[in-house]
Amino acid sequence: QKEVEQDPGPLSVPEGAIVSLNCTYSNSAFQYFMWYRQYSRKGPELLMYTYSSGNKEDGRFTAQVDKSSKYISLFIRDSQPSDSATYLCAMSEGAQKLVFGQGTRLTINP
Amino acid sequence: DTEVTQTPKHLVMGMTNKKSLKCEQHMGHRAMYWYKQKAKKPPELMFVYSYEKLSINESVPSRFSPECPNSSLLNLHLHALQPEDSALYLCASSQGAGGAEQFFGPGTRLTVL
Repeated sequence: QKEVEQDPGPLSVPEGAIVSLNCTYSNSAFQYFMWYRQYSRKGPELLMYTYSSGNKEDGRFTAQVDKSSKYISLFIRDSQPSDSATYLCAMSEGAQKLVFGQGTRLTINP
Repeated sequence: DTEVTQTPKHLVMGMTNKKSLKCEQHMGHRAMYWYKQKAKKPPELMFVYSYEKLSINESVPSRFSPECPNSSLLNLHLHALQPEDSALYLCASSQGAGGAEQFFGPGTRLTVL
């Protein structure tokens, strides 16, 4: 069993839809949770960074962390074709090493 | 400014060549990282420098040699690579030694012939 599980997709939704991406994990010591967006042949871009449990909102993006269930989510509202990318969840105990999910390939269809 | 820059963008090298990848950040971050990413896979950690000292080496073969000349610069020296080393090489930095919030550069796409 991987330490972080993420459905690789691909996930295809129409423009304007709400997108839900999620990861589960097994290590209860994880405290820091991140979502990265990676366009093809580019470096990962940090979208959301959360410490411990709770919600965080930034524009059309909302990150949720439920440590009791070992489950994190990223919601994208009013999705746009420019949101088409691979989304990577990443987690850390706080000691420099990030553990990544496999990434979900998302396509937003106009 | 949350920018990490990497040069070159693309690199093609033979198995007997010696080349270097360069990474720079001016955010005052004290930890810098090298990752390797193969197609359709997540980044894999190679090295971590914390306060200009090597703190993590993920059992990377010696044909990859990192160097941190100062707190803003990170190099990766390459020698006698194999075709399977072809990948996207990513540099990242974080503010403190804790390293959770990491900012990535655009990467260098390396092809080994």
